[in-house]
Parts: sequence; structure tokens; C-alpha cells
Amino acid sequence: QVQLVESGGGVVQPGRSLRLSCAASGFTFSSYGMHWVRQAAGKGLEWVAVIWHDGSNKYYTDSVQGRFTISRDNSKNTLYLQINSLRGDDTAIYYCARQLATSAFDFWGQGTMVTVSS
Amino acid sequence: QSALTQPPSASGSPGLSVAISCTGSTSDIGGYNYVSWYQQFPGKAPKLMIYDVSKRPSGVPDRFSGSKSGNTASLTVSGLQAEDEADYYCTSYGGSNNILFGGGTKLTVL
Repeated sequence: QVQLVESGGGVVQPGRSLRLSCAASGFTFSSYGMHWVRQAAGKGLEWVAVIWHDGSNKYYTDSVQGRFTISRDNSKNTLYLQINSLRGDDTAIYYCARQLATSAFDFWGQGTMVTVSS
Repeated sequence: QSALTQPPSASGSPGLSVAISCTGSTSDIGGYNYVSWYQQFPGKAPKLMIYDVSKRPSGVPDRFSGSKSGNTASLTVSGLQAEDEADYYCTSYGGSNNILFGGGTKLTVL
């Protein structure tokens, strides 16, 4: 069965960095595009970034461009999100998700919470 | 780009139908057939209900259907059941490798 398990969240001071991980199992990880989506408490979902199946292309929402880096290690079946220069509005649950089709995510992890606070 | 526009709330009685709208522009919903819908329960990850405007993933009841007209997409839930009470989000490809979400609609089964 498909499983996505995020880790790496926590409480971080503004301006610091954090790396989130998403361990995938139950499917051929290297065949799928992967995304990060976040959700602030009580708010809606926000698409963050995508990486193609082979890592050849990466795209970001405007608000994180230049601060976030999505990457993957297909040999380890793991997706990453490096978050630099953390800001208060980055506080959210971060989900990794598998791409079924354009803007369609068929499997999601349980999420990892990132709290930016001094 | 701005998020897609959804009504904050919708409601319907058991057994009846309700439609949730999602309005965008010619740059997103109107320009591509890449609209998806997600169901989310409190404290849980979203679940894909509809993709490519009207396709249902395996396991999603056929009570859920999707459509699009111009710049507005809709999710219709027929034969409402108490278990359908949840938050629903639409997404669309927004061009330039960008994906947009709607603000979400809280569906209440009366």
C-alpha cells in the first residue's frame, strides 16, 4: 500500500532553516512527480512546490521562491523540502503528496507541523 | 496569482444534492481541464475526489461528480449523507507551472 510519511517539522526561530523529509513506500517512487502542500491552522490549502519524477524540473509558488528548495533522492525513496529564512507566515502543516495528474494528488502524507516562533 | 473563489459554506439535507462552485479565470479554470476536488476532515489529510474536471479516482462514490463551465467548476454531491460533512477544496492548474487552490467550502449536512 502507498505510504507517505513526513518528518522534520518543529518549532524554529524566525530566520532559521529546516529540512523536511517525506519517506515514500508501496509504489515506484521514481515514476511520480511529487509535491509539497501546506496548510496554516484554520486556513485553506496552499500549493508550495513540485519536483518531476526524475528531479529534472522544480517549480515553486511565488511566496517561497528563493527560500524553499524541493529535492528528491530516488535511491532512498525520499522527498525533501529545504526551508530557509523562515518567517511567521511559514507556520503550517506541510504535506507531501503524490501526483496522479496535473493538479491532482492521489496520496498524501499525514503532515508535519512547522511552527516559526521566537 | 489569486486563489480560486469558493463559497465559505454550503448545506443540504440528507438524500438531496448540493453543488459547490469554484470560480477562477481564463488563466486557470477556463484555460485548462485540470480541475481537481479534495475532501478534508478535521485533523486529516485531504482526499482526492475528482480530477481532470470530472474523473473519479477508484473508490470514490459516484455520488460525487464534477463539471466545468467557462471559468467556474462545480462539485456536485448527490444523495447527501451525514458522512459527507467535511471541507472541500478545488484546485486548478494556473499556467506557468503554478497550481492554485480555492479557499475551501465547509459542507454541512442538515
